[in-house]
Amino acid sequence: DAGITQSPRYKITETGRQVTLMCHQTWSHSYMFWYRQDLGHGLRLIYYSAAADITDKGEVSDGYVVSRSKTENFPLTLESATRSQTSVYFCASSFSYEQYFGPGTRLTVT
Amino acid sequence: QKEVEQDPGPLSVPEGAIVSLNCTYSNSAFQYFMWYRQYSRKGPELLMYTYSSGNKEDGRFTAQVDKSSKYISLFIRDSQPSDSATYLCAMTPRGYQKVTFGTGTKLQVIP
Repeated sequence: DAGITQSPRYKITETGRQVTLMCHQTWSHSYMFWYRQDLGHGLRLIYYSAAADITDKGEVSDGYVVSRSKTENFPLTLESATRSQTSVYFCASSFSYEQYFGPGTRLTVT
Repeated sequence: QKEVEQDPGPLSVPEGAIVSLNCTYSNSAFQYFMWYRQYSRKGPELLMYTYSSGNKEDGRFTAQVDKSSKYISLFIRDSQPSDSATYLCAMTPRGYQKVTFGTGTKLQVIP
């Protein structure tokens, strides 16, 4: 089906482990984004990408790494997970200004 | 001060009421304005978008932008229990893909 998907939908991991969250879109949108959503903070941009192999940091990028070798995929890696990275993570894509969001990944770091 | 301010609510209204949701912003460069609806445990869903000032209507929803006051609104007519969700405003300057989001207003429509 066309759209934007994220996997896994739920993840529990331990402090210090590396975790990769996957994002896949079928629209061939140029732009892709990663956000985290926490109570009281709303959506905060972690990283974004304007095209394959072009990425840039957002406001809360420390501890996160991204790559984009293909237009349709934009994985987010937590290099060494910390409890403060417990959050809901949303991937989004856009061709213009409007962004279309995936269903989210709920990550718990214990 | 945040660039975009949005009252978190919650806002409770009876079914059938007209709902007004609002955001204020400080960046005069913002030209493109959006409203998203987010149901509990779901991703934000684009509701409406407008460019620059004026009104835009889509069914029961009307988006309004007043750039002189740096104020945007979303009106929901004949509100339904299915409208119960968190509503996020979002905005960006022209030619700039990074969007600034409000923190969202939680709306509850009571049957």
